[in-house]
Amino acid sequence: DSGVTQTPKHLITATGQRVTLRCSPRSGDLSVYWYQQSLDQGLQFLIHYYNGEERAKGNILERFSAQQFPDLHSELNLSSLELGDSALYFCASSVGSHSGNTIYFGEGSWLTVV
Amino acid sequence: GQQVMQIPQYQHVQEGEDFTTYCNSSTTLSNIQWYKQRPGGHPVFLIQLVKSGEVKKQKRLTFQFGEAKKNSSLHITATQTTDVGTYFCAGYVNTDKLIFGTGTRLQVFP
Repeated sequence: DSGVTQTPKHLITATGQRVTLRCSPRSGDLSVYWYQQSLDQGLQFLIHYYNGEERAKGNILERFSAQQFPDLHSELNLSSLELGDSALYFCASSVGSHSGNTIYFGEGSWLTVV
Repeated sequence: GQQVMQIPQYQHVQEGEDFTTYCNSSTTLSNIQWYKQRPGGHPVFLIQLVKSGEVKKQKRLTFQFGEAKKNSSLHITATQTTDVGTYFCAGYVNTDKLIFGTGTRLQVFP
């Protein structure tokens, strides 16, 4: 158990819909990262928040947005869903925001768009 | 943009054989991390290398960071079925973005 909690674990939704994935970082961690992993694919970096502020953005689609709340939990919002958005979405957390931090992954949220 | 490639993409070995995965970055990295993802699981941190030319060992695993800090390797001696999974290298870009390599999936046959 990494200490990073993600909900829901599984989600099936229709094209065009909107979903919200939730992440609670490890106790004491200020950074939250979101990654997308499609079937047989690598880990694509989406976004990084540190203590409520966006620190880095990857190839995140405009239909996707994220935020980190004052209690440090984070949400990833996916809208106008397409079949190609079906993937495993990981949240990870770390203590700090700088290079060298070990990040700890949650178990992921499986999103299936039908 | 920043790219981190790994080869091979897949590797099938007989139990007891050695295995090596190579990681190459298009830019110099301040450090390199390695993660292992078991089938159906999430990535788990293995190790971090910081210094140029650094070599670290964890039991049967040997990690190396290149002199130019643009490449790295993971070598497993005498693989076991418990080594099955996908191995990812990862490097920080601009200190805030941890970019993962493409991964090498290892299958070990008993």
